[in-house]
Amino acid sequence: QQQVKQSPQSLIVQKGGISIINCAYENTAFDYFPWYQQFPGKGPALLIAIRPDVSEKKEGRFTISFNKSAKQFSLHIMDSQPGDSATYFCAASGLTGANNLFFGTGTRLTVIP
Amino acid sequence: DGGITQSPKYLFRKEGQNVTLSCEQNLNHDAMYWYRQDPGQGLRLIYYSQIVNDFQKGDIAEGYSVSREKKESFPLTVTSAQKNPTAFYLCASSILAGSTYEQYFGPGTRLTVT
Repeated sequence: QQQVKQSPQSLIVQKGGISIINCAYENTAFDYFPWYQQFPGKGPALLIAIRPDVSEKKEGRFTISFNKSAKQFSLHIMDSQPGDSATYFCAASGLTGANNLFFGTGTRLTVIP
Repeated sequence: DGGITQSPKYLFRKEGQNVTLSCEQNLNHDAMYWYRQDPGQGLRLIYYSQIVNDFQKGDIAEGYSVSREKKESFPLTVTSAQKNPTAFYLCASSILAGSTYEQYFGPGTRLTVT
């Protein structure tokens, strides 16, 4: 059973456009929501993360929006560039003390020039 | 140069053979994790370890085994009991302190079993 649901599965965006990836979760015990970026053949790299005490976090062109009541969070990539083309995973943690992360199924982003 | 190393990058085995994947970290992290990645399924947790000589099963532990004899090392053995072992295997580590859950990943090992 998928603890974190992610959409869309794939996304094509024009260079300079905004890429938006959405995630939803059910368990209200989650209190940490990271996003990872993965290039083909590489391990995922932590991109940005948020906790439920804030509704938005911005780092450069990357913004997480968090809606606690709806149990949803999303990643916005502003001014998308071809170098942003990668697979993005959302995740959630906080159920146990073991720092276990529950991952979404990933979104393959393609930014076309 | 700190980080997580996994070796080898590519591994090929015949069906019925056990194979061990290496994971080493020099970040002084307490916890280490093994994930399996298949197309369209995201990352699924196989095993994790919070301290030396202790480890816990994740969601898909069947057919796998691990050991944690040293803080910096967490090898994964894919046994012949694993029905579909061909996958991309990722090792991760994290600090177990305060409220941080940041996990850092290694470059992965792609295992192909024929």
